[in-house]
Amino acid sequence: QVQVLQSGAEVKKPGASVKVSCKASGYTFTNYYVHWVRQAPGQGLEWMAIFNPTADSTSYAQKFQGRLSMTRDTSTTTVYMELNNLRSEDSAMYYCARECPSCCWFDPWGQGTLVTVSS
Amino acid sequence: QSALTQPASVSGSPGQSITISCTGTSSDVGGYNHVSWYQQHPGQVPRLMIYDVSKWPSGVSNRFSGSKSGNTASLTISGLQAEDEADYYCCSYAGSGTYVFGSGTKVTVL
Repeated sequence: QVQVLQSGAEVKKPGASVKVSCKASGYTFTNYYVHWVRQAPGQGLEWMAIFNPTADSTSYAQKFQGRLSMTRDTSTTTVYMELNNLRSEDSAMYYCARECPSCCWFDPWGQGTLVTVSS
Repeated sequence: QSALTQPASVSGSPGQSITISCTGTSSDVGGYNHVSWYQQHPGQVPRLMIYDVSKWPSGVSNRFSGSKSGNTASLTISGLQAEDEADYYCCSYAGSGTYVFGSGTKVTVL
């Protein structure tokens, strides 16, 4: 069964960093891209970034440039998303989702990781 | 990159058809045939309903259909059912490996 499984909820202080993991199972990890999408409480979906596990390459939405990074651990088929210099507006549910190369659609999605930024 | 424009809400009676629009620019919706639609029930994970403007993923009812004209894509739900009540988001490829979502539409079944 194809799944992407995310790490648990996080509570962070303003200025801190958060690292969220997304573990792939049921498919060949390096054959698919991973996207990150977030959703603030009561708000819509916001695309953040794409990661290519094979090429170890990324593309980011402009608003996250310089504050967002992604890495992978091929041995555990896990992609990590790290967001730095957190502010209260970063409080949101963060989702990872799979994309087949050049498909331009996301399926399946992870269960989501709630990140709360509060002093 | 600004969010694609969707109506905040659309409603219809059971059995009716409704259409949700998704308006972008020539740099996203109008420039690529890579528009997808996602359904999200409260507290749940988004679910892919349509991809590449008008294609159905396995397991999605053909009551859902998609189309595009110029910079505007549309999702039509035919034979509206109570279970279709949810939020719907469009998403478009925007070039250079980036994507943009729509602002979201709440569908209410009267």
